[in-house]
Amino acid sequence: AQSVTQLGSHVSVSEGALVLLRCNYSSSVPPYLFWYVQYPNQGLQLLLKYTSAATLVKGINGFEAEFKKSETSFHLTKPSAHMSDAAEYFCAVSPSTSGTYKYIFGTGTRLKVLA
Amino acid sequence: KAGVTQTPRYLIKTRGQQVTLSCSPISGHRSVSWYQQTPGQGLQFLFEYFSETQRNKGNFPGRFSGRQFSNSRSEMNVSTLELGDSALYLCASSLAGQGPGTEAFFGQGTRLTVV
Repeated sequence: AQSVTQLGSHVSVSEGALVLLRCNYSSSVPPYLFWYVQYPNQGLQLLLKYTSAATLVKGINGFEAEFKKSETSFHLTKPSAHMSDAAEYFCAVSPSTSGTYKYIFGTGTRLKVLA
Repeated sequence: KAGVTQTPRYLIKTRGQQVTLSCSPISGHRSVSWYQQTPGQGLQFLFEYFSETQRNKGNFPGRFSGRQFSNSRSEMNVSTLELGDSALYLCASSLAGQGPGTEAFFGQGTRLTVV
């Protein structure tokens, strides 16, 4: 069965500092991986996705993630945090079986940006 | 292009009642999925509909049901409400036929409170 683990339910960084949010997956088949962001009282917005085309994926708002098969990881990074990045971030995996759109989400990481 | 629309945004119901939530997907999207988000359990997959047929189902009791109409709009119903059903219910639509790596677009959710 596929699963996703997000290390750290809360992460605090200073404005301008590096953001690193960790995600490890478990999958017996090559997975499709996603990062979503959720602002208070909002739905989820896609930041980026990995679909095996390239291991380094660039997303919106300056975020990027690197797929490392050997480490079964898909960590999210941003070189310089901005106050507007404060939100909850979810890593998700979707099985590579065609015809299904079920996502399995991690438990989320709440990012706090300190002035 | 309009996003995923969920109605109502907020709902308060009494234990034992039933509730119906509505979701209008992005125009052209034929896959609609539903998720329950709670602080304790995180984001959990409820079910997915495609062309009016339930294609996937999560691990929820039979009190949770859904349907999809010919115009792809979807409803989910929860009968005999319990306090533990209080959650944010998120609907997501996808452009089916593009493969499982296709991203899902989420609505803002319906916040259900059971008292």
